[in-house]
Amino acid sequence: QSALTQPRSVSGSPGQSVTISCTGTSSDVGGYNYVSWYQQHPGKAPKLMIYDVSKRPSGVPDRFSGSKSGNTASLTISGLQAEDEADYYCCSYAGSYRVFGGGTKLTVL
Amino acid sequence: QVQLVQSGAEVKKPGASVKVSCKASGYTFTSYGISWVRQAPGQGLEWMGWISAYNGNTNYAQKLQGRVTMTTDTSTSTAYMELRSLRSDDTAVYYCARDRWELLPMDYWGQGTLVTVSS
Repeated sequence: QSALTQPRSVSGSPGQSVTISCTGTSSDVGGYNYVSWYQQHPGKAPKLMIYDVSKRPSGVPDRFSGSKSGNTASLTISGLQAEDEADYYCCSYAGSYRVFGGGTKLTVL
Repeated sequence: QVQLVQSGAEVKKPGASVKVSCKASGYTFTSYGISWVRQAPGQGLEWMGWISAYNGNTNYAQKLQGRVTMTTDTSTSTAYMELRSLRSDDTAVYYCARDRWELLPMDYWGQGTLVTVSS
């Protein structure tokens, strides 16, 4: 049950797009279409942004999108806004357990 | 509206046990499960386990097997997470989250409970 691999940090200017990757194995990311993404602001609980690789819960802006290729999932945020600055975590279903990525800090320059 | 309200902060000595509660409201408790996730200070999220509120089935993270027990009380729509033999590296904020396992992952979260393990 090893953690998924995410870049430690990414950054972008307002209005730009950024992509955060999440690499696992064929036992988790690659084996199921059950990757989710969470946004966490300092001192707050995580918030579900994407589930089932590319589905958005009600209320999440369509600037957030998800995709997957093989053992790597990606979260893309387009039209960056200041309030997007936060930590982002991917999470994969793996049959009998879930596993998170190490988290990526997004800085909006 | 869906709400998960957790119990208050705890301070425990090494070797002790802690039991955190998570009271759910605004939805049919037995139609979902509850996952527990923890976050050590300055660190990332760690999934601890999941319990079905429908039948009590559980899935635990391998590293916590034998030290953690998750239960539910359907009469009060409350989930519990007990962690035993506490160590200093168990110091973390513990979250509960509504989780329908394969159907829908953790979509609503509690406010978090800080557990501090210190001698």
